[in-house]
Order: sequence, then C-alpha cells, then structure tokens
Amino acid sequence: DQQVKQNSPSLSVQEGRISILNCDYTNSMFDYFLWYKKYPAEGPTFLISISSIKDKNEDGRFTVFLNKSAKHLSLHIVPSQPGDSAVYFCAASAGPNTGNQFYFGTGTSLTVIP
Amino acid sequence: DAGVIQSPRHEVTEMGQEVTLRCKPISGHDYLFWYRQTMMRGLELLIYFNNNVPIDDSGMPEDRFSAKMPNASFSTLKIQPSEPRDSAVYFCASRSRFKSDTEAFFGQGTRLTVV
Repeated sequence: DQQVKQNSPSLSVQEGRISILNCDYTNSMFDYFLWYKKYPAEGPTFLISISSIKDKNEDGRFTVFLNKSAKHLSLHIVPSQPGDSAVYFCAASAGPNTGNQFYFGTGTSLTVIP
Repeated sequence: DAGVIQSPRHEVTEMGQEVTLRCKPISGHDYLFWYRQTMMRGLELLIYFNNNVPIDDSGMPEDRFSAKMPNASFSTLKIQPSEPRDSAVYFCASRSRFKSDTEAFFGQGTRLTVV
C-alpha cells in the first residue's frame, strides 16, 4: 500500500506564477520529509526537506509546508521558471522506526510554460 | 566525489536472460538503496543495505530478484530470469549514517528493457 501519495500526476503553470505541489501520507510515525526533483534521464536530486518539529522551511524560491494533523505537505515554487520543469517526488521517513528508509510518492510532473 | 555510479545506463535483453545491474556508492556512505521507478508506483524501494548487510528486502518483487553487496564500494542487483514486466528504471542511492535524517544521493539509473 502506498504510504506516500501524490494525487496529481501533472501540473502546468505559467512562468512567474506560483507552483504548488501536494503530497499526503498515511503513516503517523513519519517525522522527516523531503522533496526530490528529477529531470529526464537523470537520477532524482534532493531539493528541500522539513522535520516534523517545523511547519515551514524555506530555501530561496522553494518553500515546503507541513500540516501534521492533516498528514499533508506541499511544495511552493515562487516564481516558477521554465528550468523548474521536472518530475517532483515527495518522500518520507520515520528514522530508525522504519530502518531509516525513505518512502516515495509516484511523482508530479511540473511544466512551467514560458 | 563522482557521486553514485551505476552501470550500465541502458540494458536491453531478451526474456529469460540474466541481467546484472551494478552500483558504486559514494565513498564513506554506509547505507545503500535499490529503487525501481514505475509509472504506477513511483520510486519503489526494493532492498537496502547497512554496512554491506541486507537489512530489508521486503520490496524485492520475486525470487527472481537478488542483490548483493560484497564490499562497501560495490553492489549488484540481479534478475534471473528476466521478464518483460521487469522493464523499468532502476536506481541505486547511498547515504551516510552520520546524517541519518538527511537525503540519499541517487545514481543516474539503469533503464532496463526486457523484450
């Protein structure tokens, strides 16, 4: 069963606007969350993370929000740029409780239209 | 560091043949993960090692799949015999135990096509 879900397979946004990618999880033991970005023919690369002790983490144009009660996190990209077009994976970990492994969602393909 | 290195980048094989995928993790990393990317399940963890020891192989789909890590700098994922439904992109990733809450670093993947 998928413990991390990304229900939107794709998203299109105009350049300069905000991109919002969503992720839901089911395991309340998850305490660390990450977003990865993947370009075609490349491996996923780390983008930004958030610990469950926070509800927001910012890094330049990228902000991740965590709502623990709703078991939901989102990635905001402002402003969106054409180079942001990629597949974005949400991932979660419960540290030693799950052997330090990461559980990934199915990904959301973002297209930023110039 | 060159990062996580996987070989081959592409593999085309006939059904029934044995396939071996290779991975060299980042030096000093203690965790090694094998993932498979499919449209339906996204990045699916197959198996992971800690200090060369397999910790959890519950994601390995069938007995046709096996993985080894003979030393800290090399791991293999073997499929024997291969089937068309094994066609996917397989990723290897590694992470340091000193940063257990941080990200894993991925290789570029091996695109496997079984015909």
